[in-house]
This record gives sequence, structure tokens and C-alpha cells, in this order.
Amino acid sequence: AQSVSQHNHHVILSEAASLELGCNYSYGGTVNLFWYVQYPGQHLQLLLKYFSGDPLVKGIKGFEAEFIKSKFSFNLRKPSVQWSDTAEYFCAVNARNNAGNMLTFGGGTRLMVKP
Amino acid sequence: NAGVTQTPKFQVLKTGQSMTLQCAQDMNHEYMSWYRQDPGMGLRLIHYSVGAGITDQGEVPNGYNVSRSTTEDFPLRLLSAAPSQTSVYFCASSYSSGGSFYNEQFFGPGTRLTVL
Repeated sequence: AQSVSQHNHHVILSEAASLELGCNYSYGGTVNLFWYVQYPGQHLQLLLKYFSGDPLVKGIKGFEAEFIKSKFSFNLRKPSVQWSDTAEYFCAVNARNNAGNMLTFGGGTRLMVKP
Repeated sequence: NAGVTQTPKFQVLKTGQSMTLQCAQDMNHEYMSWYRQDPGMGLRLIHYSVGAGITDQGEVPNGYNVSRSTTEDFPLRLLSAAPSQTSVYFCASSYSSGGSFYNEQFFGPGTRLTVL
């Protein structure tokens, strides 16, 4: 079964600091990869996704992520965070196989940005 | 479009009670799913459906039932509530592309359930 690991459970940064959140998955085949964000009191929204092609994908609000197949990783980055980026971030993986209708989420990373 | 809607927003149950969480989408999505969100565990898939009349189990299906009689609605039933089912429940839907459901999922606002 596929699994997703997010190593940082809580991250605290000051405004303008750079952000990198780690995501590793366990499935060895072809995957679709997602990062979702959940702002306080709100539902999950898609930040960005990778299906194929350029392994560096850009999403909304200045976020980007890089798919490194050899490392089974899909880390999320932002060069300069803002207070409004305070939220919980979830990495998710969908394996393109017979069980590909299941989206597996990591445990989430809670980001707090201090003004 | 309203997107994915869920009712109720909050619910408190006593152990042993049953209830149904409602989910509806107006995007004509074939794929719908239910997740529960618990601290530190991310979202875990309970049940999903790839179309009307078709449902399947996810990662944590025990204690829950679903049905899909229409494309729009996908209710989740708790048969006999237990404190371990205290959680936030999210419904999501997705479109298919060439028969594949490997696409972005759109989430509802969630239902916060407490079982005493």
C-alpha cells in the first residue's frame, strides 16, 4: 500500500523567510502528486499538482514543488513566506494502478508565520 | 456553482446513536469520497464512489456505510456512533478524464462530529 510521510509536523517562520516542506511517498510506480492547503477554519484547497512533464511545478500564491523520482520526494517551497501563509499543508499521492482511485495523504505540516 | 456542500457543520452524538452526514455536489463529478481528519494523521479515506450505484471501501471503512443513488449525492451513515469516530469529516468530488479519476479533488467545508 502507498504511504506518504511529511517529516515536519510544525514549522514556525518569520515573514520573508524561505520555506521548504518535505514530502516522501512509498509507491514505486507512476504517481500523481498534490499539495493541498487548509487555512484556519476553511476546507482544503489545491496548491499545486504534478502529473507528468517538467518536475518543477508552480502553484498558486508563489508556491512551487519539485518532483524527484529517484528520491520519491515532492517537496514544497516558497522563497518568501507571508503571515497569510499560516495554515496546514498536506501532501497527497495517487498511484496510477488498479487502486488508483484512492488518494493517500500525509499527516500534514502546520506552518505558523510570525509577522 | 455551489461546489461541494456538506450538512450539518457541527454535530454532537451520544454513543450508540446513528446519523447521516450529507454531501452534495453540483459539478457533475463522477467520483466522490469521504475522508476523516484527525490531528497528526492527515486525511484518511473512508469510502468512495466512482459513479451512481458504485461504492467501495477506503482505508478506514469500519462503522460507516455509504450509498450513491444519484451523481449529486453521497451520504455517509454512522451506524452506531463511538467516541473513536469523533473527527472532522470531509466530502470531496473529482471529475474523470478518459476514465481516470486521478485528478484534483474538490473538498466540502467539513462536518465536525463529537461523540460523547
